[in-house]
Amino acid sequence: GDSVTQMEGPVTLSEEAFLTINCTYTATGYPSLFWYVQYPGEGLQLLLKATKADDKGSNKGFEATYRKETTSFHLEKGSVQVSDSAVYFCALTIGGTSYGKLTFGQGTILTVHP
Amino acid sequence: DTAVSQTPKYLVTQMGNDKSIKCEQNLGHDTMYWYKQDSKKFLKIMFSYNNKELIINETVPNRFSPKSPDKAHLNLHINSLELGDSAVYFCASSKAGGGQPQHFGDGTRLSIL
Repeated sequence: GDSVTQMEGPVTLSEEAFLTINCTYTATGYPSLFWYVQYPGEGLQLLLKATKADDKGSNKGFEATYRKETTSFHLEKGSVQVSDSAVYFCALTIGGTSYGKLTFGQGTILTVHP
Repeated sequence: DTAVSQTPKYLVTQMGNDKSIKCEQNLGHDTMYWYKQDSKKFLKIMFSYNNKELIINETVPNRFSPKSPDKAHLNLHINSLELGDSAVYFCASSKAGGGQPQHFGDGTRLSIL
């Protein structure tokens, strides 16, 4: 079946540090890839997406590139802020009869200190 | 305007009771979902409906019964609540077809005493 594996957390950084959260996947078909963010007490918000190999998704300074050869979709940000503290989820979906069912990684808790 | 809204936000109840969670979306999407988030933050699909038709049922106990009166609403009814049902339940919606981003509600935190 389909699965997503994220790096173990939690991750603690100082403000302005560089962030990488690793994500790899296995999929039976050709997936679309997503990063979602969950702030405390809130639902999930779409952060960025990529739908085909070598696509780069970007939003709010975050970036991730769809790497088919390494089945990866690592999340990066050059300079994190305290407001980026949240839980980050890598996810995939496959078209066809799955009707967009999202398969999530286990989530990575990010804490940024001033 | 809230895109995907769930009610209630918090639900505290006794074991054995029956409860419902309501979800509405005003995005004009055809597909709606229910996800369960456990205490370790892990998210798993429970159900998916497309145009009021059940598409996905991920081996969820039959005490959980989704109902979609129209494509803008997907409610979740739970019978005979058990301690293990304590979790946060998220409703989501999207356009039909794979590759579409999903829009999530703020969640319903269910606590079983």
